[in-house]
Amino acid sequence: GENVEQHPSTLSVQEGDSAVIKCTYSDSASNYFPWYKQELGKRPQLIIDIRSNVGEKKDQRIAVTLNKTAKHFSLHITETQPEDSAVYFCAASTDSWGKLQFGAGTQVVVTP
Amino acid sequence: DGGITQSPKYLFRKEGQNVTLSCEQNLNHDAMYWYRQDPGQGLRLIYYSQIVNDFQKGDIAEGYSVSREKKESFPLTVTSAQKNPTAFYLCASTPRSYNEQFFGPGTRLTVL
Repeated sequence: GENVEQHPSTLSVQEGDSAVIKCTYSDSASNYFPWYKQELGKRPQLIIDIRSNVGEKKDQRIAVTLNKTAKHFSLHITETQPEDSAVYFCAASTDSWGKLQFGAGTQVVVTP
Repeated sequence: DGGITQSPKYLFRKEGQNVTLSCEQNLNHDAMYWYRQDPGQGLRLIYYSQIVNDFQKGDIAEGYSVSREKKESFPLTVTSAQKNPTAFYLCASTPRSYNEQFFGPGTRLTVL
């Protein structure tokens, strides 16, 4: 089955700097790659996603890039703000029904 | 995500007891999922269901059981066979042929 690895497990950045989180996946048939943000004690919420026919997608300060050949994808957050502090999860799916395999998560801390 | 509810928010169980966690959605989504979340381990899939009266084991199904008698409901029973049930449990749903998973607010289960 699919295996998703996520790095780093923790990331501390100064406010205003950029943050990058990387994930690798094992199944070349994976075609959907979402990123979720989870604040402490809350539910995960989708922040951005990308499909295998696209190499990059941006939404304001957030961007995701996908390298299908290398089987990795990355989340980029620019101009970080304290409210970006949370746990971020990547995931991959080969299933049109939405069954996801999640990475272990990255704790992002933005310090003023 | 406001269309998915989980109850109770907090649940305490004595060792040897079975408990049932509720998950209800009014989004008319076809597929529903149960995840377990432990600190630093991401989201692990327990069970999922793509249609009524059918469900599949996920990665960590041992000690858990589910039913899907109605499209909008997918209750999870944590049995006494689950040796370490203390965790945060998240329910999610997704419509057919669309990958985004919408999460409920979660149930925090503690074994006393």
